Amino acid sequence: DGGITQSPKYLFRKEGQNVTLSCEQNLNHDAMYWYRQDPGQGLRLIYYSQIVNDFQKGDIAEGYSVSREKKESFPLTVTSAQKNPTAFYLCASSTRQGISGNTIYFGEGSWLTVV
Amino acid sequence: GQQLNQSPQSMFIQEGEDVSMNCTSSSIFNTWLWYKQDPGEGPVLLIALYKAGELTSNGRLTAQFGITRKDSFLNISASIPSDVGIYFCAGLPSGTYKYIFGTGTRLKVLA
Repeated sequence: DGGITQSPKYLFRKEGQNVTLSCEQNLNHDAMYWYRQDPGQGLRLIYYSQIVNDFQKGDIAEGYSVSREKKESFPLTVTSAQKNPTAFYLCASSTRQGISGNTIYFGEGSWLTVV
Repeated sequence: GQQLNQSPQSMFIQEGEDVSMNCTSSSIFNTWLWYKQDPGEGPVLLIALYKAGELTSNGRLTAQFGITRKDSFLNISASIPSDVGIYFCAGLPSGTYKYIFGTGTRLKVLA
C-alpha cells in the first residue's frame, strides 16, 4: 500500500538519551515534514525538507535533528538537548509547491515518552 | 508560528444532526485541506480545495474554499457516532511549503 510509515509507534526515552524516529514514504513525494503535537494544541513544525540533502528548521527545531539522504526517508532524532520531548510526533509528505494538487499526507504518528 | 482561527473549538450534537465548522486567516492561501484525527492516530485527509470558490463533497462531507481565499468551511450532514473525533483545517500560503494548521474542532456525537 502507498503511504507513510512511522516507527516505532511507542518509544520511551531515558534522561540524557538520544532517540530516533523513523519515517518512510513510498508516495514519491519530494517534500517531507516533522510535526509535534501536544494535547489540545495544534501541529507545530519541527523540520521540513523540500529535496534530498536539504532541510530547513521549522518553528521548534531546538533539540531536534534530521537527515534527508534518500527521497523516501526523513528520520528525526530527539536529542538530550530537548528538555520536554514527551509528545506525539507526526511525519508528513507532499508534492513540491507549484504542482497542482499539492496536498500533505500524514503518517500514523509516534508517541515519545520520557521516563 | 502562525495558526489559523478555527471554530468552534468543540461541539456536542445529536446523531442525525448537521455540523458546520470553519477556519479563517489573515493570510491568503492557495490550498485548503480538511482532516479528521482520531485519538492516538495520524490525521486522515478528508477534502482538499485548490481554487477560490471551489465546493467539494466527499460523501456526507462538503467543504468550500472561500472567495476571499482567507477562509474555508466544512459541513457534515446527518452525523453518525463514528464522526466523533477532531477535525482540523490546514492552509498553504502561496509560494511556501509551510502549511499552517487550525487548532481543531472536537466533535462528539450523542446517540
